[in-house]
Amino acid sequence: GDSVTQMEGPVTLSEEAFLTINCTYTATGYPSLFWYVQYPGEGLQLLLKATKADDKGSNKGFEATYRKETTSFHLEKGSVQVSDSAVYFCALGVGNTDKLIFGTGTRLQVFP
Amino acid sequence: KAGVTQTPRYLIKTRGQQVTLSCSPISGHRSVSWYQQTPGQGLQFLFEYFSETQRNKGNFPGRFSGRQFSNSRSEMNVSTLELGDSALYLCASSSGTPGIKGETQYFGPGTRLLVL
Repeated sequence: GDSVTQMEGPVTLSEEAFLTINCTYTATGYPSLFWYVQYPGEGLQLLLKATKADDKGSNKGFEATYRKETTSFHLEKGSVQVSDSAVYFCALGVGNTDKLIFGTGTRLQVFP
Repeated sequence: KAGVTQTPRYLIKTRGQQVTLSCSPISGHRSVSWYQQTPGQGLQFLFEYFSETQRNKGNFPGRFSGRQFSNSRSEMNVSTLELGDSALYLCASSSGTPGIKGETQYFGPGTRLLVL
């Protein structure tokens, strides 16, 4: 069945460091791919998305490219801030429904 | 525009009881989905409703049920609560346009349920 695999956390970085969080997926057909972020005590917020191969999603300095050949959607940011500390979830959208399959989440901790 | 709201925010119940959680979607959104978040199992899809019809269902026992009203508000119910039902229950809404791929879903803050 469809699934998402994310790198284990926590990821600990100093401010202004480069961030990569790996995400790979298994799916039939051509899913949509998402990155959501969850701050402490809050729900999920969409960070970025891509709906077809080679699409690049970007928002707030974060980027991810839908790579069909490697079934990946890795999240990157060139220079992280303390305020980016949160849990990041990679998710796969099933067909034309709203059903999302989530990865296990990666906690990012950024220190000054 | 107001975001997705969920009530109550916190709930404590005992084993064997039942519970009803409520979700009000963003105005104009017709699709509501529910997810369970636990430390052990992560985020798992429960069900999706569109125009009062269940459009998709996750792999949860029949104790978990839901419904959607004509104003798109949704409720989920868990009967005969078990300790393992302790979780954060998240609701998400989207416009739900049929046939559209990759619609953005907007999540509420969740209802944290503790079963004792």
